[in-house]
Amino acid sequence: GEDVEQSLFLSVREGDSSVINCTYTDSSSTYLYWYKQEPGAGLQLLTYIFSNMDMKQDQRLTVLLNKKDKHLSLRIADTQTGDSAIYFCAEDLMNRDDKIIFGKGTRLHILP
Amino acid sequence: NAGVTQTPKFQVLKTGQSMTLQCAQDMNHNSMYWYRQDPGMGLRLIYYSASEGTTDKGEVPNGYNVSRLNKREFSLRLESAAPSQTSVYFCASSGVGQASYEQYFGPGTRLTVT
Repeated sequence: GEDVEQSLFLSVREGDSSVINCTYTDSSSTYLYWYKQEPGAGLQLLTYIFSNMDMKQDQRLTVLLNKKDKHLSLRIADTQTGDSAIYFCAEDLMNRDDKIIFGKGTRLHILP
Repeated sequence: NAGVTQTPKFQVLKTGQSMTLQCAQDMNHNSMYWYRQDPGMGLRLIYYSASEGTTDKGEVPNGYNVSRLNKREFSLRLESAAPSQTSVYFCASSGVGQASYEQYFGPGTRLTVT
């Protein structure tokens, strides 16, 4: 079946790197996404990676994809208080006609 | 370019009342979606519309109906609200751009059913 799993909580000290992990089950996914949700706001697409890539870097964000293990991670360098949010991993299933499966979200808490 | 807009932002209903949540996008996207988000559950797809004139059930369609009025608008209707439908509802759209399946979300509607 389709499932995307991620841990529910992560605490990181300000200035350290945050690594949020995600596993998915459907190998036919083409894109994998990271969304960010701040309190009271809608979901914001943070970054995405195409399934034939291993890594994508965008400023402080690095996405790593291990397709063999169906493991996706999001690394945030130099974590700041503004990074405090819930991060959702999602996989895109081409054969589901635009259907996207989301994880339950990881709440990132920044320690002073 | 407003992106995806939703109305209302907040709503309180009594059990059995009906209401329609409105959603509109100005990005010329083909696909639109309605999700609900509940604590500890993540986002769950209620209905989606891959193109104007088509709608399909998602993971949790019971108790809801949708209308794809035109390419811009996708509404979600609760015919007889129940407390189990207390949730935050997000509308989203996708279909045009570098990654055609990128989803753009509205700000959400917080619905409480008493």
